[in-house]
Order: sequence, then C-alpha cells, then structure tokens
Amino acid sequence: QSALTQPASVSGSPGQPITISCTGTSRDVGGYNYVSWYQQHPGKAPKLIIYDVSNRPSGVSNRFSGSKSGNTASLTISGLQAEDEADYYCSSYTTTSTSLFGGGTKLTVL
Amino acid sequence: EVQLVQSGTEVKKPGESLKISCEGSEYSFTSYFIGWVRQMPGKGLEWMGIISPGSSDIRYSPSFQGQVTISADESISTAYLQWDSLKASDTAMYYCARRPTASSRWALWGQGTLVTVSS
Repeated sequence: QSALTQPASVSGSPGQPITISCTGTSRDVGGYNYVSWYQQHPGKAPKLIIYDVSNRPSGVSNRFSGSKSGNTASLTISGLQAEDEADYYCSSYTTTSTSLFGGGTKLTVL
Repeated sequence: EVQLVQSGTEVKKPGESLKISCEGSEYSFTSYFIGWVRQMPGKGLEWMGIISPGSSDIRYSPSFQGQVTISADESISTAYLQWDSLKASDTAMYYCARRPTASSRWALWGQGTLVTVSS
C-alpha cells in the first residue's frame, strides 16, 4: 500500500492561485468520495481543510477548495496569503477499510 | 470544550513496552471512529490504524499490522496505542483523530504524544 502521490513542493506569490494534486488508484482515491486534505504548520497538529472531496469545515476559508477526477484529487488555494505557507497532505479511504496519506507538499509563499 | 487529549511525552529504551492514550471529552465517544497517525521526525503523516465506534472493528494499515495494538475503553472515553517491544525507529510524534461514520471528516485531532526510544 504505497502513499498517494503529491508534488514535494509548490510555490506561489501572494494573491495567486495554486493547485496541489494527489494521485492514487481505483482502490483509494478513484474508488470513493472520501478524500480529505490537511494543513500542517511546523510543530502543530494537522488541521482539516477539505473533506469528502470538496466540503469545507466551518471556519475554513473559502479560498480553499477541493475536487476529484478519476484517480486524482486536487486542492486549490485561491488568493495565496502568507499564512498559507505550510505542509499539505491529502488522505483517502481505501478498499482495506483503512486510510492512506499522500507524501505531503510543502507550500512556499514567495 | 470538545477535544481529544493525549497522554504526555514518553522517553523509553529499546525493548520496553508502552501504552499511550487519547481521551475524548464533551462528546459521545462511541459515535466516532478514532484513528492513530505517526509522524517521524521531519517526515510525513502515516495512518496506523482505525478503531470503530464500540471497538467492534479495528483495522491496521499494512505497515503497522502486528507492530502495534489499538484498543479503547468506552467507559472512560479513551483510546489506546500500544507497543510490546519498542524500537528506535518508533521514535515519532503520534496523533489521534476522530471522524464520524461514512465520512472522511477527521476534523478533531489530539495535541500529539512525542515518543522517543533511545538506549
């Protein structure tokens, strides 16, 4: 069971949009609408920002959005802000009734 | 306040046993799944396993099957992660989190328990 595939790093300037991809297989991302995304700042616990592919928990900025096509899910952050600089992880439910994370993406705000 | 409170930092020697805890407060503990996540120093997040409401079903990720034991005591709203014989490679931060059924909404996380295994 390999980790979902994410780019190791992405960067963007304040105000610009960025997208982080998360590629799995039909046994995880492609098979269920149970993809979630997490933001983690250094030394902090992960924070849920998207669940069930495209739903935002209350209190999370509407600059964050999620989508899925086939075996690839995506997180888009519109209008980058300095505080968005963090590590981002996707996660998916799998056919073994467990969950799987992506390797993580380090977002740098230039 | 609804929260998951984890037990404190542990420093252990290789070969020792350990049981860390995750206590839920101000919510119905048996209405949610609890998952455990490992984060090794400078590395990414890894799901270890998930225990269902009422502890009727426990699923381990393949990498952790046979390496750890997940359990819960609903009477005190507490989940556990246990090792029989620690290795240096178990050094990591461990998080618990909860989600409702039929969802990927792991919205509530514990503060983490740092486990250091060193001779």
